Amino acid sequence: DAGVIQSPRHEVTEMGQEVTLRCKPISGHDYLFWYRQTMMRGLELLIYFNNNVPIDDSGMPEDRFSAKMPNASFSTLKIQPSEPRDSAVYFCASSFADRSAQHFGDGTRLSIL
Amino acid sequence: AQRVTQPEKLLSVFKGAPVELKCNYSYSGSPELFWYVQYSRQRLQLLLRHISRESIKGFTADLNKGETSFHLKKPFAQEEDSAMYYCALLTGANNLFFGTGTRLTVIP
Repeated sequence: DAGVIQSPRHEVTEMGQEVTLRCKPISGHDYLFWYRQTMMRGLELLIYFNNNVPIDDSGMPEDRFSAKMPNASFSTLKIQPSEPRDSAVYFCASSFADRSAQHFGDGTRLSIL
Repeated sequence: AQRVTQPEKLLSVFKGAPVELKCNYSYSGSPELFWYVQYSRQRLQLLLRHISRESIKGFTADLNKGETSFHLKKPFAQEEDSAMYYCALLTGANNLFFGTGTRLTVIP
């Protein structure tokens, strides 16, 4: 099992561009989480899904951020338009059943110039 | 509001010395706490959870509701323990709140 797979591993783009981050959760997991990690704020939950349905998006910073989960094996986090302050490492995690251990991907390091 | 505080961003100890990584939490409900670890060039992974009351890699953590703490301890640090450690609180809404992390360096 390759675990949670995120792509790309690194993304460098200019401000104003659209950025799409991708995540493939572990097969059989019914929860999927998106986190953002910065030096100042540490790891912050952005949004999470249960059975492909968004449950809590209160951590999404603003309307420029959106997340989708069209099926059980794929999710995207989109930023449009991107800004330099969006630069961070974005993690995807998945888990099986409520309150179980979350399995994290390698993260996507995003740099907005 | 819930909060997880890890007061030390950096912690260095000598090999063989005891280590304690501090974690305090604030939560009005019944807390469920975790320690996650990220070794160099590896994924963030679960180290232990308080409900398991287990020792993993020599580490233990006891939930102290009176002091609202969940400190991670190991009696004899090893070089391979050098990593980033995150304390996390799971709320009733299934939100996992992380502290800002402590980078542990074990000096040979």
